[in-house]
Amino acid sequence: DAGVTQSPTHLIKTRGQQVTLRCSPKSGHDTVSWYQQALGQGPQFIFQYYEEEERQRGNFPDRFSGHQFPNYSSELNVNALLLGDSALYLCASSPRPGTSGGTYNEQFFGPGTRLTVL
Amino acid sequence: AQKVTQAQTEISVVEKEDVTLDCVYETRDTTYYLFWYKQPPSGELVFLIRRNSFDEQNEISGRYSWNFQKSTSSFNFTITASQVVDSAVYFCALKTGFQKLVFGTGTRLLVSP
Repeated sequence: DAGVTQSPTHLIKTRGQQVTLRCSPKSGHDTVSWYQQALGQGPQFIFQYYEEEERQRGNFPDRFSGHQFPNYSSELNVNALLLGDSALYLCASSPRPGTSGGTYNEQFFGPGTRLTVL
Repeated sequence: AQKVTQAQTEISVVEKEDVTLDCVYETRDTTYYLFWYKQPPSGELVFLIRRNSFDEQNEISGRYSWNFQKSTSSFNFTITASQVVDSAVYFCALKTGFQKLVFGTGTRLLVSP
């Protein structure tokens, strides 16, 4: 049973560029959440997708956008990269909110993508 | 608003010592869930425990134990007889509503031989 997978592992970009990060949820999960973890900080919620729509969003600018595909995998896109976007980006999967497993159960996290913006 | 405070930035202990990681949370919701995650150097967050707001029973799992006290809004984590493999960053997190986790800033635990 594969866990949450993310690609790429590491990425180096320059300011102003655009980046796409990818996530495949754990088998049986249909909800994907994205978090940004700056160095020395706790993860910060970016947004959550299920049924191919953004359902919740944290305090992040519109430069951060996402997408969920019919197979539940997801992409995080960041446009016009800033130095401050350098961070570890974590994807988490879980059962759909409102289901018996969705409200209570923990989110399963992937290994993350480390983005460096120069 | 929800908030999680982990006042201890870094703790250093020698192997076999007991260590307690503190977590204080804030929420106005009566139904909420508390979690502890471990983040080793590899970066992946590893789930350790969850607690809902209606269950104040303390829990022990091997060398790990958790003390949940609603009266002080705390959910502390104790490692007994620490080992070098326990070295990691530990995060306390709070969830209200559906699925959004609010994390503390983490406590880095260094266990030396």
